[in-house]
Amino acid sequence: GNSVTQMEGPVTLSEEAFLTINCTYTATGYPSLFWYVQYPGEGLQLLLKATKADDKGSNKGFEATYRKETTSFHLEKGSVQVSDSAVYFCGIRETSGSRLTFGEGTQLTVNP
Amino acid sequence: NAGVTQTPKFQVLKTGQSMTLQCAQDMNHNSMYWYRQDPGMGLRLIYYSASEGTTDKGEVPNGYNVSRLNKREFSLRLESAAPSQTSVYFCASKEGSGTEAFFGQGTRLTVV
Repeated sequence: GNSVTQMEGPVTLSEEAFLTINCTYTATGYPSLFWYVQYPGEGLQLLLKATKADDKGSNKGFEATYRKETTSFHLEKGSVQVSDSAVYFCGIRETSGSRLTFGEGTQLTVNP
Repeated sequence: NAGVTQTPKFQVLKTGQSMTLQCAQDMNHNSMYWYRQDPGMGLRLIYYSASEGTTDKGEVPNGYNVSRLNKREFSLRLESAAPSQTSVYFCASKEGSGTEAFFGQGTRLTVV
């Protein structure tokens, strides 16, 4: 079945630092990929998505590119803010069907 | 905009007790999901329902049952709670053809 592997956390950065959170996946066909963010005490919210190879999803300064050749969907942000502190989940939706699978989550803490 | 509503928000059970976690969505979504979130394990899919009248097992279904009561509601039942089921439970829903899932606020369950 489908699976998602994220880089292990937690990640601690200073404000304005560059962020990369790695995500790789295993799937058949052409799944859709996404990143969700979970702020303390809340449920998950969609951050960005990509539905086909070479698509770039972007939102709030975050970007991720669907790389089929490396089966990756790494999350990047050029300059993080304290308000970006949260848990980030990489996820995959199977090509056919409704099943959603998530990675382990990466805790990000940004210090002022 | 209610979105996805979960009840209760917090619950403490004794080992062997039973309970049902309720989830309702008002977005007319076809697909609904139950996940559990544990430290270091991320989000793991328990059961999902691709459409009204259907349910399927996820990664960790043992010890749980579900009911898709109608299009709006998807409940998760623990027949005989165990300490290993201490977790935060999230319900989610999505339109069948779209990629964005909407999550509830979570239910924090402790089994003593």
